[in-house]
Amino acid sequence: QKEVEQDPGPLSVPEGAIVSLNCTYSNSAFQYFMWYRQYSRKGPELLMYTYSSGNKEDGRFTAQVDKSSKYISLFIRDSQPSDSATYLCAMSVIGGGADGLTFGKGTHLIIQP
Amino acid sequence: ETGVTQTPRHLVMGMTNKKSLKCEQHLGHNAMYWYKQSAKKPLELMFVYSLEERVENNSVPSRFSPECPNSSHLFLHLHTLQPEDSALYLCASSQARGRAYNEQFFGPGTRLTVL
Repeated sequence: QKEVEQDPGPLSVPEGAIVSLNCTYSNSAFQYFMWYRQYSRKGPELLMYTYSSGNKEDGRFTAQVDKSSKYISLFIRDSQPSDSATYLCAMSVIGGGADGLTFGKGTHLIIQP
Repeated sequence: ETGVTQTPRHLVMGMTNKKSLKCEQHLGHNAMYWYKQSAKKPLELMFVYSLEERVENNSVPSRFSPECPNSSHLFLHLHTLQPEDSALYLCASSQARGRAYNEQFFGPGTRLTVL
């Protein structure tokens, strides 16, 4: 079983819809959870960063972590064509070491105008 | 220049060539990373340098050789690569303390094709 599972898509939704992106993981030691957005021909950029369980909101984006289910989500409200990108979930065990991040494969999201 | 820059952006090389990828960060960070991104696979961590010392070598073949001369620069030296090494190579940087390790800033990547 892979450490982090993420549906690669593509996921295509109309403009204005609420988008739900998800990842599941198997390592219960993960404590830090991140969502990166990657546009074509660019490197990933950090969107959201959460620690442990709960919700975090930033504008149209909400990150949700459920450690009991080993499941994380990113919700995008009022989706825009400019949100079309690949969304990568990432997680790490500790925040105090250079152990790098464990990534999902990424979900390719298309927002139709 | 701002953020993390990588050169070249595209590289085509034969299996017997030797080439180097360069990364420079302008963020005042002191941890730097090399990742490999292949189609339909998650990003794979290759090397980590923290305070200019290599702290992670994630079972990478010896045909990849990293070098970190200072906290702003990171190189990946390539020799006798295989076609399966074709991928996007991403450099990232972060602060080397506490939770800041997780806030990694990525460069645009070098698209490598091995013929």
